Amino acid sequence: QSALTQPASVSGSPGQSITISCIGTSSDVGSYNLVSWYQQHPGKAPKLMIYEVSNRPSGVPARFSGSKSGNTASLTISGLQAEDEADYYCSSFTSSSTWVFGGGTKLTVL
Amino acid sequence: EVQLVESGGGLVQPGRSLRLSCAASGFTFHDHAMHWVRLAPGKGLEWVSGISWNSVSIGYVDSVKGRFTISRDNANKSLYLQMNSLRVEDTALYYCAKGHAWGTSGSMDVWGQGTTVTVS
Repeated sequence: QSALTQPASVSGSPGQSITISCIGTSSDVGSYNLVSWYQQHPGKAPKLMIYEVSNRPSGVPARFSGSKSGNTASLTISGLQAEDEADYYCSSFTSSSTWVFGGGTKLTVL
Repeated sequence: EVQLVESGGGLVQPGRSLRLSCAASGFTFHDHAMHWVRLAPGKGLEWVSGISWNSVSIGYVDSVKGRFTISRDNANKSLYLQMNSLRVEDTALYYCAKGHAWGTSGSMDVWGQGTTVTVS
């Protein structure tokens, strides 16, 4: 149950696009279309932003999109806004019927 | 409004036990899997345990197997986490999260505010 691999930090200017990668294995990301992405602001509870690789829950802006290729999932945020500054976590269901999270990525909006 | 309220956290000595509770409201509790996820100081989110709608499917992260037990009471819309043989490394903010589906393979779509467990 090793954690998924995410970059520790990414940054971008308002209006730009950024992509956060999430590298797993054939036992998790590569085997299931059950990858989720969560946004967490300091002192707040995590919020689901993407589920099942590319689906957005109601209320999540269309600026947020997800994709997957092989063992790597990605979250793209286009038209960056100041309120997007937060920690982002990917997670995947695994072949052990458990969930595993990535280490988290701190997004800074310059 | 969907709401999850955790309770039961606190300061406990290594080796002792603690029982966390999560009270759910605003949705059909018995139709959804439920999960516990923790956030240790200076670290990232870690899935701890999940339980299906009917308690048939249960999973744990390796580090808590044999020490933690997840359970639910659908009649009272409550989720529990019995934590035994606590270790310093179990210190974290523990979140209760609602599963998107009835099985544990669904993502976690609503989260509580968490309850803090300190083992020292």
